Amino acid sequence: GAGVSQSPSNKVTEKGKDVELRCDPISGHTALYWYRQSLGQGLEFLIYFQGNSAPDKSGLPSDRFSAERTGGSVSTLTIQRTQQEDSAVYLCASSLRQVRGYTDTQYFGPGTRLTVL
Amino acid sequence: DQQVKQNSPSLSVQEGRISILNCDYTNSMFDYFLWYKKYPAEGPTFLISISSIKDKNEDGRFTVFLNKSAKHLSLHIVPSQPGDSAVYFCAASASYGNQFYFGTGTSLTVIP
Repeated sequence: GAGVSQSPSNKVTEKGKDVELRCDPISGHTALYWYRQSLGQGLEFLIYFQGNSAPDKSGLPSDRFSAERTGGSVSTLTIQRTQQEDSAVYLCASSLRQVRGYTDTQYFGPGTRLTVL
Repeated sequence: DQQVKQNSPSLSVQEGRISILNCDYTNSMFDYFLWYKKYPAEGPTFLISISSIKDKNEDGRFTVFLNKSAKHLSLHIVPSQPGDSAVYFCAASASYGNQFYFGTGTSLTVIP
């Protein structure tokens, strides 16, 4: 059975370039999360999608960050004009549904390691 | 501001002994808590959870204890096995929100 997949696994880019990170959630999972983990930090919430509802973007650190989820499945996180402080591991997770805090288990992908030179 | 804290970045334990991993939180509205385990180059995997209506939850060798008055939870692994060597994250959420707040992780090494 396929788990959550993310691509690319590693991305090295130059400061100022745009990057796109992809997440394929588990089929049938309606909830999708993006997190990032900077060196020595915990997982930082970025954005949350639930079905067809408007996403919760409250964790996005700046307007250079955006995310889409097409057809309720695949999601793309885009970082424009990358900065060195954007270097981190970006993790995607999906769950069957979100039931107001008592959520189904989140299944994480392996992450994309982004390095901005 | 870190709402979930794991103050021990690392822990070493002999095989067969008990591992105790600790987590503190600051937001009294948190009512659901989880532990995740992470191996290198993999995403975190869910281990065990507890809701605020309980003070203990067991699953095999893993037990999570919640002390709401102290805003503290702990994960006990007994007996510890070398395969338990990994980074452990605690996470918390509140029923009013969508976010999960994660700690910085504790790296557990179980020595054979």
